[in-house]
Amino acid sequence: NAGVTQTPKFQVLKTGQSMTLQCAQDMNHEYMSWYRQDPGMGLRLIHYSVGAGITDQGEVPNGYNVSRSTTEDFPLRLLSAAPSQTSVYFCASSRTSGGLGTGELFFGEGSRLTVL
Amino acid sequence: AQSVTQLDSHVSVSEGTPVLLRCNYSSSYSPSLFWYVQHPNKGLQLLLKYTSAATLVKGINGFEAEFKKSETSFHLTKPSAHMSDAAEYFCVVSDNDYKLSFGAGTTVTVRA
Repeated sequence: NAGVTQTPKFQVLKTGQSMTLQCAQDMNHEYMSWYRQDPGMGLRLIHYSVGAGITDQGEVPNGYNVSRSTTEDFPLRLLSAAPSQTSVYFCASSRTSGGLGTGELFFGEGSRLTVL
Repeated sequence: AQSVTQLDSHVSVSEGTPVLLRCNYSSSYSPSLFWYVQHPNKGLQLLLKYTSAATLVKGINGFEAEFKKSETSFHLTKPSAHMSDAAEYFCVVSDNDYKLSFGAGTTVTVRA
């Protein structure tokens, strides 16, 4: 049972380059989300999706795009990387569709991105 | 709006002694509250959750937390720390929509 799989685990970019962080889950979860983790700040929500074709912004969406064409995949795109986007990125999913109040988030192992 | 404050950024305990991680929350509704644990270079894993049932919640690995509405607190405890408890712990609040608010985290060090 793979759970939530993120690729790549490590990436170094130059300022202005673009890239996509991949996230796939095999649990048939409706809800998927992307967080960034920075020291002393906990996790902050970037974008989330409650089903295929439906996405919405979180707390820190600027500089990131997402799409959800299938239930399984939820890629995160950086269009023009900036040093401020150096962070560890986590994808998480949940089977809860009516709100996350009782739902458990299942996390990937993270993608560490450095922007020079 | 919802928010979480973890009162300690770092806690150091000796193996076999109790662990206390403090969390205060702010919420406009009756919130759901969670504690997650993150071991080095890993994703987060759910320890326990409160969803308006019993105020004393038991989780995995001997952890438990008590919801105190009057104090807006959800402190995490464990009677006897183990070396494997060394990790970062996050208190999380949800107003039952699709957005969770994470605390800044508490790093636990366990001394042999």
